[in-house]
Amino acid sequence: QSALTQPASVSGSPGQSITISCTGTSSDVGGYNYVSWYQHRPGNAPILMIYDVVNRPSGVSNRFSGSKSGNTASLTISGLQAEDEADYYCCSYTSSTTLAYVFGAGTKVTVL
Amino acid sequence: QVQLVQSGAEVKQPGASVKVSCKASGYTFTIYYIHWIRQAPGQGLEWMGIITPNVGGTRYAQKFQGRVTMTRDTSTSTVYMELTSLRSEDTAVYYCAREAYYEAKNFDYWGQGSLVTVSS
Repeated sequence: QSALTQPASVSGSPGQSITISCTGTSSDVGGYNYVSWYQHRPGNAPILMIYDVVNRPSGVSNRFSGSKSGNTASLTISGLQAEDEADYYCCSYTSSTTLAYVFGAGTKVTVL
Repeated sequence: QVQLVQSGAEVKQPGASVKVSCKASGYTFTIYYIHWIRQAPGQGLEWMGIITPNVGGTRYAQKFQGRVTMTRDTSTSTVYMELTSLRSEDTAVYYCAREAYYEAKNFDYWGQGSLVTVSS
């Protein structure tokens, strides 16, 4: 089972919007609405930012939004802020017989 | 408040075993599944397996079958992950994470991570 495909890095200036893509297959991203996104800063525990493709947990800024089209999910950060600089991972439930969840390799977001 | 507190860093020799603990507090332990996820240096996150604290049922990623065992102690609200026959590629930060609710398929609380270094 290959990891989901994410760009290695995305950057933007404060106030801009950026989008991170996450491409899988019909066995994972395309087959289920169980895509979640995690923000991870080195040395800290990952934080759930989006679940079930589009939902935000309470406490997460509405500048973060999720979507999906076919086998590709996306995380958009609007009004980019310095505090958004982190690694972002997508995750999907999968029908694979070898594992239940597959993660992307992660995207480093840099605020210029 | 919900907390998952993990055991400290470990250094192990190749071929040895390691047992990492994850103590839960702030919620009813038996209701929420616990997953183990690891991150090797410079790599992404990797799902290892799940344990259901109420009955102790487990499912492991095929990659770790035969080398990993997840257990729980309901009296102390603690989950354990033991990995045997360690090799250098097992050097990673190991996280426990709570599944947000029954069959939620996402992880709402994570432990702080436990660094396991495999080196001779």
